[in-house]
Amino acid sequence: NAGVMQNPRHLVRRRGQEARLRCSPMKGHSHVYWYRQLPEEGLKFMVYLQKENIIDESGMPKERFSAEFPKEGPSILRIQQVVRGDSAAYFCASSLGQLNTEAFFGQGTRLTVV
Amino acid sequence: QKEVEQDPGPLSVPEGAIVSLNCTYSNSAFQYFMWYRQYSRKGPELLMYTYSSGNKEDGRFTAQVDKSSKYISLFIRDSQPSDSATYLCAMSGGSARQLTFGSGTQLTVLP
Repeated sequence: NAGVMQNPRHLVRRRGQEARLRCSPMKGHSHVYWYRQLPEEGLKFMVYLQKENIIDESGMPKERFSAEFPKEGPSILRIQQVVRGDSAAYFCASSLGQLNTEAFFGQGTRLTVV
Repeated sequence: QKEVEQDPGPLSVPEGAIVSLNCTYSNSAFQYFMWYRQYSRKGPELLMYTYSSGNKEDGRFTAQVDKSSKYISLFIRDSQPSDSATYLCAMSGGSARQLTFGSGTQLTVLP
C-alpha cells in the first residue's frame, strides 16, 4: 500500500556495517509492525511498536537488532554488525489499532549483505 | 510443526478457471483470518479479512473459514493473468497481536 512508506527500497551493506531501515506509517496510524521475509518463505514477525513504546519484541533476535518509533519521525529498524544471514526483505506494516484489524504493508526494504 | 501450513505450489491454471487456495493452522486461539496478495518484489496487499468462521465474498474473491477443522480457503472465480502472484494467508488472535503467516502459494494464471 502506497500509504506506508519505507526507505531505502534497496540497501547494500558489507559484513560488519550497520543497516538502518525506516518506515513512515499511514497517516493516522499509530501502530507499527516489522516483519522479515526470507526467500521462498512467508513473513516472520519481528517487533510491534506504538509511539515511543515497544509493545512486543518477541520476534527480534536477541543481539544486534533494535527498533524504535519516536514521538516524531519514522520508525527505525536498526541492525548492527550485519552478517550475510541478515540478507532479506524487511517489511513494515501499520494499522489504526491492534493488528487484529486490517494492516497495510509498505513495499519493503531489500537488504543485501556482501 | 508450523503454526500455519500452506501449500507453496506453484499452481498454474488457465485463464477463467476457479482457483482454490488453502491454509491449515494449529492454534485454536486464532480468530482473525486474512488473505494477502504479493506481487514479485512488492509488499503484501490485503485482499480479504474475516473474523471467526463463515464466508465472505468480495467480487471474484470468496474467503471461507472453518474453525472446527482449522482450515481456511480463498476462492478466485474467473481467474485473470493479473491474478498471478503469491497468495499469503495470515491470522491472529488470543494474546498475539501480530500476524502469523503461511509461507505463500505462488499462482500463475495462463492467458
